[in-house]
Amino acid sequence: DGGITQSPKYLFRKEGQNVTLSCEQNLNHDAMYWYRQDPGQGLRLIYYSQIVNDFQKGDIAEGYSVSREKKESFPLTVTSAQKNPTAFYLCASSMGLAGNEQFFGPGTRLTVL
Amino acid sequence: GQNIDQPTEMTATEGAIVQINCTYQTSGFNGLFWYQQHAGEAPTFLSYNVLDGLEEKGRFSSFLSRSKGYSYLLLKELQMKDSASYLCAVMDSNYQLIWGAGTKLIIKP
Repeated sequence: DGGITQSPKYLFRKEGQNVTLSCEQNLNHDAMYWYRQDPGQGLRLIYYSQIVNDFQKGDIAEGYSVSREKKESFPLTVTSAQKNPTAFYLCASSMGLAGNEQFFGPGTRLTVL
Repeated sequence: GQNIDQPTEMTATEGAIVQINCTYQTSGFNGLFWYQQHAGEAPTFLSYNVLDGLEEKGRFSSFLSRSKGYSYLLLKELQMKDSASYLCAVMDSNYQLIWGAGTKLIIKP
C-alpha cells in the first residue's frame, strides 16, 4: 500500500535537546512538506521541498532544519533554538506544487518537558 | 496579509444537512481545498475547487465563488462518523496552501 509514514507517533524530549522526526513516502511524489498544528490555529508551513537536494523555508522555519537526500525521505530536526516546540507535526507529499492534493502522514506529537 | 475564516464550531443532528462556510483573502488564487480531520489524526482530502460552481462527490459537495472569496462545504445525510474538524485551505500565487483554523463539527443523535 502506498502512503506516508511518520515515526514515532508520540515523542518526549527535554528542553535544550535536538530531536529528529522521520517522514517517509512511497507514493513517488516529488514535493514534500512539514507543517505544525497548534490548537485553534491553521496548519503552518515549516519547510517544503520540490525536488531532491532542494528545500525552501516556509512561514515558521526558525529553529527547524530539514534535509532531502532521497526522494522518499524528508526528516525534520527540531533544534533547541525553537522556542515553543511542543506541537503536532504533520508531514505531507504531493505530485507537484500546483493544484495537487497533499497526502498527509499520521503525525508526530512532540512534547518538550 | 492572508486570511482564511471559518466558524470555530458547529452542531448538527444525525441525518440532517450542514453547510460549513469559508471566506478568504489571499495573495493570488490557485484553488481551494477542503480536508477532514478526526481528532489526533491526519487530514484527509475531501474536495478541490478552482472554478466557480458546485462540485458534488457523494454526500459531500463544495461550492466556490472567486469574486466573493467564498466557499462552502455541504454535508448531507449526516452520520456520527462525520464528527470531525473540517479544514479550508487556499493555494496562493506561490502555490503554498494557506489554512483556516478549522471548523469542529459535532453530530448529535
